[in-house]
Amino acid sequence: DAKTTQPTSMDCAEGRAANLPCNHSTISGNEYVYWYRQIHSQGPQYIIHGLKNNETNEMASLIITEDRKSSTLILPHATLRDTAVYYCIVRVRSNDYKLSFGAGTTVTVRA
Amino acid sequence: NAGVTQTPKFRILKIGQSMTLQCTQDMNHNYMYWYRQDPGMGLKLIYYSVGAGITDKGEVPNGYNVSRSTTEDFPLRLELAAPSQTSVYFCASGRGDGGYTFGSGTRLTVV
Repeated sequence: DAKTTQPTSMDCAEGRAANLPCNHSTISGNEYVYWYRQIHSQGPQYIIHGLKNNETNEMASLIITEDRKSSTLILPHATLRDTAVYYCIVRVRSNDYKLSFGAGTTVTVRA
Repeated sequence: NAGVTQTPKFRILKIGQSMTLQCTQDMNHNYMYWYRQDPGMGLKLIYYSVGAGITDKGEVPNGYNVSRSTTEDFPLRLELAAPSQTSVYFCASGRGDGGYTFGSGTRLTVV
């Protein structure tokens, strides 16, 4: 699986868009990008995933660069409840679908 | 729709005792996983299952056993508990597209 690099931490203002970067320069053609988040003391929560096209759902948008070497998760209007650790994971969709969680980015939304 | 239910939520074990962490899902997912998360660290995969009767080891299986007799249930057994097994244990299930649903966790302390 391709390795991902995320900033250790970042702050954003409540009500503003939060843009979370992820580098995955060794990604291969059949690897998907997944994003999860973990709010303190809770189980991780699936946010979104994509292969090469930009994706949007009710929680967030995922922008993947044309060369697929990096991606950005966008939380359009961050709230205090979005404070969490965000994990970017790159994985082949194989028949076991194991996901490996790294250290992630600690995002703090400030009032 | 309960999702993924883990019991118990908290447990204190003495060294050498055994216990079973229960995990049940009501979404008819074939894929189920057990992770552990030590304080301030990422999640590590213990065991996983791709369907009833099929289990396999993850990154850190030593000291644990699993079984999968039904689609719904995936219990994790700790034999001869050790202080190194003090952790938060998360169970997850998925339908095979990488979008897992996690339970709320079991916080285990071994003293």
